[in-house]
Amino acid sequence: NAGVMQNPRHLVRRRGQEARLRCSPMKGHSHVYWYRQLPEEGLKFMVYLQKENIIDESGMPKERFSAEFPKEGPSILRIQQVVRGDSAAYFCASSMGDGYGYTFGSGTRLTVV
Amino acid sequence: AQSVTQLDSHVSVSEGTPVLLRCNYSSSYSPSLFWYVQHPNKGLQLLLKYTSAATLVKGINGFEAEFKKSETSFHLTKPSAHMSDAAEYFCVVRYRRVQFYFGTGTSLTVIP
Repeated sequence: NAGVMQNPRHLVRRRGQEARLRCSPMKGHSHVYWYRQLPEEGLKFMVYLQKENIIDESGMPKERFSAEFPKEGPSILRIQQVVRGDSAAYFCASSMGDGYGYTFGSGTRLTVV
Repeated sequence: AQSVTQLDSHVSVSEGTPVLLRCNYSSSYSPSLFWYVQHPNKGLQLLLKYTSAATLVKGINGFEAEFKKSETSFHLTKPSAHMSDAAEYFCVVRYRRVQFYFGTGTSLTVIP
């Protein structure tokens, strides 16, 4: 079992470009959660998705950020027109559902130059 | 409102001495509480969790934590630090089934 796979591990984007972060949950997990870790801060919840549905996006910035978890394939966190303040580590976690354990990926470190 | 406060941003201990990482929480509900560890360039790993069963929770690698409702605390301890324990530790409170609130982290340094 490969665990939660996030790619790329490191991503560099120029201001104004788009960033796409991918998360493949553990086998058998249909719930995915995205978190952002800003320098000197703890992790902040962004969005919770189940297959083809966004369950809770209360932590997502209102503009430029979107997430999806299609029926087939990984979950994608998309950041359009990136700015320097988007530089952070983005973590994905997956679970089988409520009451089950959560497994985190190794994160994607986004650097905006 | 839910929040988590980790009282120390950095803790240094000598190898073989006890570890204490402090965490206080605020929750409007009966909380579920977790400790996660993050080693450099690694994902977060669950150390232990409290979900309203026994107040003293044992985790992996010799760590344990005690839930004290009267003090709203969930401190993480280990009797004897090992060099491999050097990492970032996060105290987490779970809210609304799906949202986790993370503390800002405590960086543990173990001195040989």
